[in-house]
Amino acid sequence: QKEVEQNSGPLSVPEGAIASLNCTYSDRGSQSFFWYRQYSGKSPELIMSIYSNGDKEDGRFTAQLNKASQYVSLLIRDSQPSDSATYLCAGPFSGGYNKLIFGAGTRLAVHP
Amino acid sequence: GAVVSQHPSRVICKSGTSVKIECRSLDFQATTMFWYRQFPKKSLMLMATSNEGSKATYEQGVEKDKFLINHASLTLSTLTVTSAHPEDSSFYICSANVYLDNTEAFFGQGTRLTVV
Repeated sequence: QKEVEQNSGPLSVPEGAIASLNCTYSDRGSQSFFWYRQYSGKSPELIMSIYSNGDKEDGRFTAQLNKASQYVSLLIRDSQPSDSATYLCAGPFSGGYNKLIFGAGTRLAVHP
Repeated sequence: GAVVSQHPSRVICKSGTSVKIECRSLDFQATTMFWYRQFPKKSLMLMATSNEGSKATYEQGVEKDKFLINHASLTLSTLTVTSAHPEDSSFYICSANVYLDNTEAFFGQGTRLTVV
């Protein structure tokens, strides 16, 4: 059973729209989640971390965590073509060791 | 964020040779680093956990004699792909956590390995 699941997409949104990326996880004990952005041929870049229930906003990005539903999402407001990338959701490995388990990633395409 | 430097960014080698990839934490000490590989359009696959001063911990299915990991200092971990074959061609990425009790990871730039 996969520990972190994402819809692989692609998710296509027009420029200026809100892009909504979703992720579910299986370990109820997980306390922290991370969203990484990965451009083609590049390594992942951390864009958001969230540790508690509710919303966390940073510029055009909002991460939402719902521990009861085991659900974490990322909203990107005013989407730009430069946001086109694969977004990886990651949560801690249930066996500890500070390892991260990554979802398959959702490919986002923002078209002008 | 913290800076993790990985070198080389690209390498082409002949079948049967070995390739070493370095991963350095530039502005912090990392007792633990992680090595991933990624195939095109696929997610990151954790290969091993590199522990400073001790043996690496390999994930199931990863050959430890094929992928040698050395973590000799608090700022450097190396991955050596031994007797490389074309199927070892992939994107290899390292990461490190800034704090011991924190899973927030920072990634190196990645190494594109092509075995011909």
